[in-house]
Amino acid sequence: RKEVEQDPGPFNVPEGATVAFNCTYSNSASQSFFWYRQDCRKEPKLLMSVYSSGNEDGRFTAQLNRASQYISLLIRDSKLSDSATYLCVAPSTDSWGKLQFGAGTQVVVTP
Amino acid sequence: SAVISQKPSRDICQRGTSLTIQCQVDSQVTMMFWYRQQPGQSLTLIATANQGSEATYESGFVIDKFPISRPNLTFSTLTVSNMSPEDSSIYLCSVEDPDREAYNEQFFGPGTRLTVL
Repeated sequence: RKEVEQDPGPFNVPEGATVAFNCTYSNSASQSFFWYRQDCRKEPKLLMSVYSSGNEDGRFTAQLNRASQYISLLIRDSKLSDSATYLCVAPSTDSWGKLQFGAGTQVVVTP
Repeated sequence: SAVISQKPSRDICQRGTSLTIQCQVDSQVTMMFWYRQQPGQSLTLIATANQGSEATYESGFVIDKFPISRPNLTFSTLTVSNMSPEDSSIYLCSVEDPDREAYNEQFFGPGTRLTVL
């Protein structure tokens, strides 16, 4: 089983709508998680860090469910500029500093 | 967060040759990481580079193929040796925010897009 698994999508979202998607992780000891955003042909950029039950930053909300070992990302009032691939990331069990990246969830916001 | 630059931004190389990618950070960082992202795939860690010690390679990656240097706390190089078309990929370096190293947050350089013919 992969350490981090995501629905690849694409999630086609009308502009202004809300979209949410999940990521499951296998290491129950993980304490921190991250959502990165990656635009086409660009480097990943850190969107949110999740250290407790969740985090909110403007239109973006991340929630952590430790019992079921998943993290969700919710985007409210979607903008065209939210179109991107969202990578779920968790610390690896192997060594300090090492991160495991999910394959990414593609979101396409349409006018 | 740290500002990270990479050179070259892209290159097209012939098989059998080698390419050295540079990663420069605007502040001193303890750990630097090298990743590969093949077309349509997510990121795979190649190795972790710490200043003053040998790089630590992940399973499937070896020093002979991907030698790494880390001469100081702001710079690292990754060489892709004896290239084949399968090495065509984006190579990214990343660092942990020096002010938030306990949080495992990593920030990425812009990447080097390599095409091997």
